[in-house]
Amino acid sequence: SQKIEQNSEALNIQEGKTATLTCNYTNYSPAYLQWYRQDPGRGPVFLLLIRENEKEKRKERLKVTFDTTLKQSLFHITASQPADSATYLCALDSYSGNTPLVFGKGTRLSVIA
Amino acid sequence: EAGVVQSPRYKIIEKKQPVAFWCNPISGHNTLYWYLQNLGQGPELLIRYENEEAVDDSQLPKDRFSAERLKGVDSTLKIQPAELGDSAVYLCASSLLTGGNGELFFGEGSRLTVL
Repeated sequence: SQKIEQNSEALNIQEGKTATLTCNYTNYSPAYLQWYRQDPGRGPVFLLLIRENEKEKRKERLKVTFDTTLKQSLFHITASQPADSATYLCALDSYSGNTPLVFGKGTRLSVIA
Repeated sequence: EAGVVQSPRYKIIEKKQPVAFWCNPISGHNTLYWYLQNLGQGPELLIRYENEEAVDDSQLPKDRFSAERLKGVDSTLKIQPAELGDSAVYLCASSLLTGGNGELFFGEGSRLTVL
């Protein structure tokens, strides 16, 4: 069956370090993979989209990689700040871009000052 | 530009009562989604609309849930009758593009508590 796994429910890191979150999937062949941030009591907010033919995408302190062989995406936040504390969700389409996004459970990141 | 607007933000009802949630998407977004999010889980799709047509409603429990998107703009999601297990956050989202290449814009959600 299809499955999306985000490496852990919670991740604690020290301020200034790089946070690395993992999204693994099985039995999908996504054309696109997206990352969202969700704060408590709020709706998810889009961060980055990466296509299957792209290896890496960057936006300010954020970097996403997409390895279709390993069926894995890594999400990095460099020079992390307490304001980066939130739940991060990965989402992918099930096939070739015309299907709705399926979301993972999310990883709750806490950046400790 | 206004984002996706949902109401009510919070609703507490007794089981077996009906409840309705309303969503106004971003202007010009033809695709509208209703997702359900349980505590500690990611959003799960209930229904997707392209304009006024429901193009993906396979996950909508049709015995008690219904949705409509008249005129292809705002949408209503209804539960009748509500059960204890329906307690969750109901998220509405809209997008300009269909599928995984379109970023989703979410509303703040409607938190339902069924007693």
